[in-house]
Amino acid sequence: GPKVLQIPSHQIIDMGQMVTLNCDPVSNHLYFYWYKQILGQQMEFLVNFYNGKVMEKSKLFKDQFSVERPDGSYFTLKIQPTALEDSAVYFCASSFNYEQYFGPGTRLTVL
Amino acid sequence: GDSVTQTKGPVTLSEGTSLTVNCSYETKQYPTLFWYVQYPGEGPQLLFKVPKANEKGSNRGFEATYDKGTTSFHLQKASVQESDSAVYYCVLGGSGGSNAKLTFGKGTKLSVKS
Repeated sequence: GPKVLQIPSHQIIDMGQMVTLNCDPVSNHLYFYWYKQILGQQMEFLVNFYNGKVMEKSKLFKDQFSVERPDGSYFTLKIQPTALEDSAVYFCASSFNYEQYFGPGTRLTVL
Repeated sequence: GDSVTQTKGPVTLSEGTSLTVNCSYETKQYPTLFWYVQYPGEGPQLLFKVPKANEKGSNRGFEATYDKGTTSFHLQKASVQESDSAVYYCVLGGSGGSNAKLTFGKGTKLSVKS
């Protein structure tokens, strides 16, 4: 079936640094999402994105977070600066209609 | 806000036995309900969806009925196989199959022993 790719699979950075998580969505999908899952906890919605704009964001989507998809390339989540509580697995998803297809996640560790 | 509560795992079953994973939800909208399944090293993938109350969804022997009266959406399978070992998520989505955010339950890890 359709695949969503995420790069990198793991990222370790020092607190205060900037990090960019990359998502390669399914080619004809129009809606894009980021979710966050802290170890042992449930997956939580961060943001969704359509037609170049943020449609909805949760309270977890702090001011230090930003998303973009320049020129139809990767859909990115940037965190600047990072904090210890940003350590989690971040899942990207994309959809054309109701079904969201998820990538395998990027495990982010902030030291 | 919206919330989903499901059976706390892990659940360990023998092949051929039946499975029930309880799921209840809270929302003020008219949601679409989903079950997603996640295998190790992968993201969640859709098992099936039910957009309307009182309807049943099914796939690969799994089924669930959208019960608006009891706000429940329990997952059942009559006879599990070792290949069913995975984490199962009960998920609440927007109404009418929209592209709204998904609200996940905590997941129930199922291990099936041969």
